[in-house]
Amino acid sequence: GAGVSQSPSNKVTEKGKDVELRCDPISGHTALYWYRQRLGQGLEFLIYFQGNSAPDKSGLPSDRFSAERTGESVSTLTIQRTQQEDSAVYLCASSLSRDQPQHFGDGTRLSIL
Amino acid sequence: RKEVEQDPGPFNVPEGATVAFNCTYSNSASQSFFWYRQDCRKEPKLLMSVYSSGNEDGRFTAQLNRASQYISLLIRDSKLSDSATYLCVGGRDDKIIFGKGTRLHILP
Repeated sequence: GAGVSQSPSNKVTEKGKDVELRCDPISGHTALYWYRQRLGQGLEFLIYFQGNSAPDKSGLPSDRFSAERTGESVSTLTIQRTQQEDSAVYLCASSLSRDQPQHFGDGTRLSIL
Repeated sequence: RKEVEQDPGPFNVPEGATVAFNCTYSNSASQSFFWYRQDCRKEPKLLMSVYSSGNEDGRFTAQLNRASQYISLLIRDSKLSDSATYLCVGGRDDKIIFGKGTRLHILP
């Protein structure tokens, strides 16, 4: 079946602009995660959604970052007033539940000029 | 102590050799463990889950040592295509943590 789908694949924008990244999880996966990965670095957890429960936002680095998910469907990650340090690959993953293996999308490569 | 810790490497290993990585975890209540591989500029992909009794998938063997709180990955008869970063993952249903990864270079 289809895997995790992310869009856009690449995004180049000017500092100060807002960006919205989209993730379409694997059908039936109730758990959805967002990560950030800077060049040459490890995965940095941002946020976790599980069904209709309150999301775990403990990894969001600042109030410029927010994410939404409606039920068990698509999620969007929004970064407001982008800064150059926001440049990274943003990865989305989904899983059947939090203790099950996560399956990743191809990521969105974000470049802030 | 980091929640999930790995030697960043790089490990430079000749083709055909056996290589082993360890990964330590700090939360003794952790229940779920996995190994992922990540190729350069690609997303992480699940390599294998790690079960309490240990498990094998072809040239790959994963083991869990609860007493010492570490998991291991053994790669036998290494191939050039095994060159990648290997991420260990540990946690339970309230928190899953990815390690920073161990870089492996298989040398021809």
